[in-house]
Amino acid sequence: KNQVEQSPQSLIILEGKNCTLQCNYTVSPFSNLRWYKQDTGRGPVSLTIMTFSENTKSNGRYTATLDADTKQSSLHITASQLSDSASYICVVTRKTATGNQFYFGTGTSLTVIP
Amino acid sequence: DTGVSQDPRHKITKRGQNVTFRCDPISEHNRLYWYRQTLGQGPEFLTYFQNEAQLEKSRLLSDRFSAERPKGSFSTLEIQRTEQGDSAMYLCASSRNLVVSDTQYFGPGTRLTVL
Repeated sequence: KNQVEQSPQSLIILEGKNCTLQCNYTVSPFSNLRWYKQDTGRGPVSLTIMTFSENTKSNGRYTATLDADTKQSSLHITASQLSDSASYICVVTRKTATGNQFYFGTGTSLTVIP
Repeated sequence: DTGVSQDPRHKITKRGQNVTFRCDPISEHNRLYWYRQTLGQGPEFLTYFQNEAQLEKSRLLSDRFSAERPKGSFSTLEIQRTEQGDSAMYLCASSRNLVVSDTQYFGPGTRLTVL
């Protein structure tokens, strides 16, 4: 069964601290993996995209890693800011005969406190 | 603004009424997706279009739900005889349908509340 699981479900950290969010998936065949940031009441916004051959990709203070062998990904946030408070969603794309299918995790809710 | 837009942003309706939402994708994107998201959950796929063709529908899309994209540009999602369980955020996204690095761009969503 094609699934995407994220952990932890929620996380509270102090401003300025680092944190790491996890994503495990069983989606196959794999095409790519994305991390999205979703502010409350808004649509998700793409942070990073990683294909099978990429191990790490950075976008400012966000660094995503991918281990395609173990089917795990992480999103590391450095020097957190209050504006990082949001839900972070892992999305895995599966190749199909008619195109791509997208499998969403349930997200990690991050709260950054001063 | 050339992003994905959705209208209305909020809709409150009574159980049993019909509602229709509109999504305007990014103009050069040929794929358009509808998702439903409930509080604390990730988006759930409902359906998607490539141009005007509806290529896939989720089992979540009951007979009360219908989506159209008549000219391959904007899309509408209609819910007939709404139920309280239909209360959710309805998200629309569009993409170019690139083979490898297909990125979905999401709209702000329409929040539906069924009383």
